[in-house]
Amino acid sequence: EVQLLESGGDLVQPGGSLRLSCAASGFTFSNYAMIWVRQAPGKGLEWVSAITGSGSSTYYIDSVKGRFTISRDNSKNTLYLQMNSLRAEDTAVYYCAKGSENSFPYYIDYWGQGTLVTVSS
Amino acid sequence: EIVLTQSPGTLSLSPGERATLSCRASRSVSSNYLTWYQQKPGQAPRLLIYGASSRATGIPDRFSGSGSGTDFTLTISRLEPEDFAVYYCQQYGSSPRTFGQGTKVEIK
Repeated sequence: EVQLLESGGDLVQPGGSLRLSCAASGFTFSNYAMIWVRQAPGKGLEWVSAITGSGSSTYYIDSVKGRFTISRDNSKNTLYLQMNSLRAEDTAVYYCAKGSENSFPYYIDYWGQGTLVTVSS
Repeated sequence: EIVLTQSPGTLSLSPGERATLSCRASRSVSSNYLTWYQQKPGQAPRLLIYGASSRATGIPDRFSGSGSGTDFTLTISRLEPEDFAVYYCQQYGSSPRTFGQGTKVEIK
């Protein structure tokens, strides 16, 4: 059974940093792309960042480029999202998600339960 | 960027009725790379349909997807009580990957 367990969400001040983690199990982690998707309170879904199975290729939406860094440790079956220079508009539940394959085109086939990031003074 | 517009915003139906949800893209979705997700309050989304019309593992056959190009449809043939939720379409054929704004299916 695929399981994705996020952690690291917290209340942080504007300009602050946070690192999210996602522990994966139930599949061969290194064989699949992984994704972070966020959902602002009461809003829709936004695909934030993605990384291939080896970690060699990454993708970011424009609004987080230069501030967020996605990475993975395949030896620990763990996905990360380092978030710097946080803004109020980054406030959201952040979901860790598994890609259906390692390379394009892949869709999200499993989701974690999410971790809440609140950016506020 | 491909903008996905879902309609209606809210669908009020009774259990047993048929639900038809629309997802329209601002330009053609490459190779019909479109998914549908279901999200219930306080829960993560769940994959229903991929490739516009293929049901994901474990999804009941009352859920079906259709369409191509710019117009896609999710149909729930007979609504069960557990089907009342928000439904999102998403395209994965081009970057950035984009989601529709969602359709809420509520109990009438």
